[in-house]
Amino acid sequence: QKEVEQNSGPLSVPEGAIASLNCTYSDRGSQSFFWYRQYSGKSPELIMSIYSNGDKEDGRFTAQLNKASQYVSLLIRDSQPSDSATYLCAVRGYGGSQGNLIFGKGTKLSVKP
Amino acid sequence: DVKVTQSSRYLVKRTGEKVFLECVQDMDHENMFWYRQDPGLGLRLIYFSYDVKMKEKGDIPEGYSVSREKKERFSLILESASTNQTSMYLCASIRTANYGYTFGSGTRLTVV
Repeated sequence: QKEVEQNSGPLSVPEGAIASLNCTYSDRGSQSFFWYRQYSGKSPELIMSIYSNGDKEDGRFTAQLNKASQYVSLLIRDSQPSDSATYLCAVRGYGGSQGNLIFGKGTKLSVKP
Repeated sequence: DVKVTQSSRYLVKRTGEKVFLECVQDMDHENMFWYRQDPGLGLRLIYFSYDVKMKEKGDIPEGYSVSREKKERFSLILESASTNQTSMYLCASIRTANYGYTFGSGTRLTVV
């Protein structure tokens, strides 16, 4: 059974701090990795994708991937109250040729003003 | 931007009813997916389709069926709704297998 694990939180950080969200996955052959943001009552929104080891930056967001450790993380710099949401890690495994993703259960982030 | 439209935002149905959830995407995407999302259980894949008239079971297909007669439309059918099918249902699509999903706005279904 392929699994994606996230700490459920809640993770609470003060406004302006760096929020660090972590995710581990079980399928060593996983190819593609995604972070989604989901506000309460809304559908998930894709915010980052990463495909190779290292860091990928987009504005205040940085995704980090370490395939050897089967670990992917999301850093949010200068956190804002509007970043308060649940963050879902999603992984496309080696057998996901039709595109299906496996999701973690999400980490709830709360940014305090 | 790709738009994935789910026909209903909220639905209330009675036990035993046949329920149709519709999903339409406007960007000629090949692959479409149906998930349900429940507190503590996360997102679980029900069915997916990679072409017209093609369908594959996901992790929890029992009690559901799907239809894809046209490329842009993927329907989820609850043959006989039960209370344990009360959930948020999310449709998603992707252009090719390398991309992340675009989700629809979701349908919150309550079965009473």
